[in-house]
Amino acid sequence: ETGVTQSPTHLIKTRGQQVTLRCSSQSGHNTVSWYQQALGQGPQFIFQYYREEENGRGNFPPRFSGLQFPNYSSELNVNALELDDSALYLCASSFLATHPQYFGPGTRLTVT
Amino acid sequence: DQQVKQNSPSLSVQEGRISILNCDYTNSMFDYFLWYKKYPAEGPTFLISISSIKDKNEDGRFTVFLNKSAKHLSLHIVPSQPGDSAVYFCAASAILKAGKSTFGDGTTLTVKP
Repeated sequence: ETGVTQSPTHLIKTRGQQVTLRCSSQSGHNTVSWYQQALGQGPQFIFQYYREEENGRGNFPPRFSGLQFPNYSSELNVNALELDDSALYLCASSFLATHPQYFGPGTRLTVT
Repeated sequence: DQQVKQNSPSLSVQEGRISILNCDYTNSMFDYFLWYKKYPAEGPTFLISISSIKDKNEDGRFTVFLNKSAKHLSLHIVPSQPGDSAVYFCAASAILKAGKSTFGDGTTLTVKP
């Protein structure tokens, strides 16, 4: 059974640029959630996708958007990057939006 | 306003002793609570959970206690082992909104040999 994987591991972007982060869900999982974890804080819920539709969103602006594909892999897109977007971005998958979620190792984004 | 709070950023215990990690919440809509463990360079790993219809759940060395009236939960690890050293996150959600969890800021547990 393959766990949750994320790519890339690290990346550095400049303020104003756009970025796409990718996630492959654990086998058999049809729900994916994205979280932002700033340094010294807990993960903060961005949004969730279930069967390719957004199924709930946290307190994040529209420049954070996502996609879920038929194979249940997912993307997180962030436009017009700001310095405060620097964080660890975590993807978590589950079956039918039930607990528990299984997290990937995260993508460390640095915005300069 | 932070809805899930872990007031102790760090905790240090001796191997073999009990570790008690605490968590408070403010949102009465939360009815499902989880603990995750996180090692450096890894994502959080689910440890144990409890729903609001119970006040205790045990899994091996790990026990979670829930006090609904105080809006407080705790994780007990007995006996503590050096491999338990990690960051522990408390998380809460409404059971019908599984996967949209609100996390605390974590407690770093260090278990000394």
